[in-house]
This record gives sequence, structure tokens and C-alpha cells, in this order.
Amino acid sequence: EVQLVESGGGLVQPGRSLKLSCLASGFTFSNYGMNWIRQAPGKGLEWVASISSSSSYIYYADTVKGRFTISRDNAKNTLYLQMTSLRSEDTALYYCARHGAKDYWGQGVMVTVSS
Amino acid sequence: DIQMTQSPASLSASLEEIVTITCQASQDIGNYLSWYQQKPGKSPQLLIHSATSLADGVPSRFSGSRSGTQYSLKINRLQVEDTGIYYCLQHYSAPYTFGAGTKLELK
Repeated sequence: EVQLVESGGGLVQPGRSLKLSCLASGFTFSNYGMNWIRQAPGKGLEWVASISSSSSYIYYADTVKGRFTISRDNAKNTLYLQMTSLRSEDTALYYCARHGAKDYWGQGVMVTVSS
Repeated sequence: DIQMTQSPASLSASLEEIVTITCQASQDIGNYLSWYQQKPGKSPQLLIHSATSLADGVPSRFSGSRSGTQYSLKINRLQVEDTGIYYCLQHYSAPYTFGAGTKLELK
């Protein structure tokens, strides 16, 4: 069974940093590109970042470019999102997801940016 | 960046009715279009991938179509369990973009 389990969320002050993790299981993690998507409270879905299977290709939304870094450790089956210079508008539920014909999402991890 | 204009923003329909939601892409995205359903407190669930292909386990009353840069999700014979918010996603070119969502309710 494919599972994606996010962790690392919490309450953080504006300007501070936070690192999210997504532990994957049930499939060969190193074969798949992965994504982070977020959803602010009561709002729609926003794609945040994507990384290819070997980390050769990385893309970011304009809203996070230069502040967030997506990475992965294929040996640990783990996807990361390093978030710096956090703003109140980064407050959201962050999902990791594997897209495709077989599409999987985690349950999400909440990040709240507030003083 | 590619914009996805989704309509309507909300929709109220009766049981067994046919419902159509559309997404207009600002440029060609080929068939790199997926449709998702999200229920309150849950992660999105894939309904349609590659614009027209039904995802595993999704009822056949859901279907996707494409006409140029306009993509449509059709629900035949609306059921109670079909309420929720529907999103399109283009993954042709980064930054990937979701439509703004369509909230579907039962009348």
C-alpha cells in the first residue's frame, strides 16, 4: 500500500524557517517525481514545488521561489521542503503528492506562520 | 505562466442531473490535465488524468473531455456522494497550476 506521511509542521514566527518531511512507502520512491502542494485555510489548492526522481529537475511556484527548497533523499525514501523567510501567507496545509495515472497524496501537515 | 480559468465557481444541482465543469487553459497544455475531487477535511482524490482517462476506482459516471484548450469534467446522474469541491490541474509546464475550484452542492 502506498503511503505518504508528512511531518515537521507547526507554529512559527514570521521570518523564521521550518523544514517539512514526507516519508514514502509502498513504492519505489527513487522512480518517481514528487510534489508539494498547499492549501490555505478555506482556500483552493496551490502547487508549490516539484522535483524529478533523480533531483535533476526542480521547479517552484513564483510565490515561494528563492525562499523554499525542495529536495529528496532516495536512500531514505523521503521528500523535503525547506521553508525560510516564512510569511503569514504561507500558512497552509502542506501536502506531498505523487502525481500520475496512479496518484497519491499524504494527509497533509499544517504550517501556521504567526507572531 | 499558464492560467487555468475554472467555471463555475459554485454549482447546485439535483440528484440524477448531468453536471459539467470546465477549465480553460491560457495556452496549449496538450492532455496534461487532471481533475480532482476534494471533500471536507480530506486530501484531493484523482478522478481523471490525461484529460480523458478515468482513474482507477472512479465511477464511470465521471468523464473528461477536451476541445482545444478547454477541458471539461462531466458527471452523469449526479449522486449524493459527488458533492465536494472539484479542481483541475495542468502539469504541462511549470509552474503547474490548479483551477480555482468548483463547489458542487445538491439542490
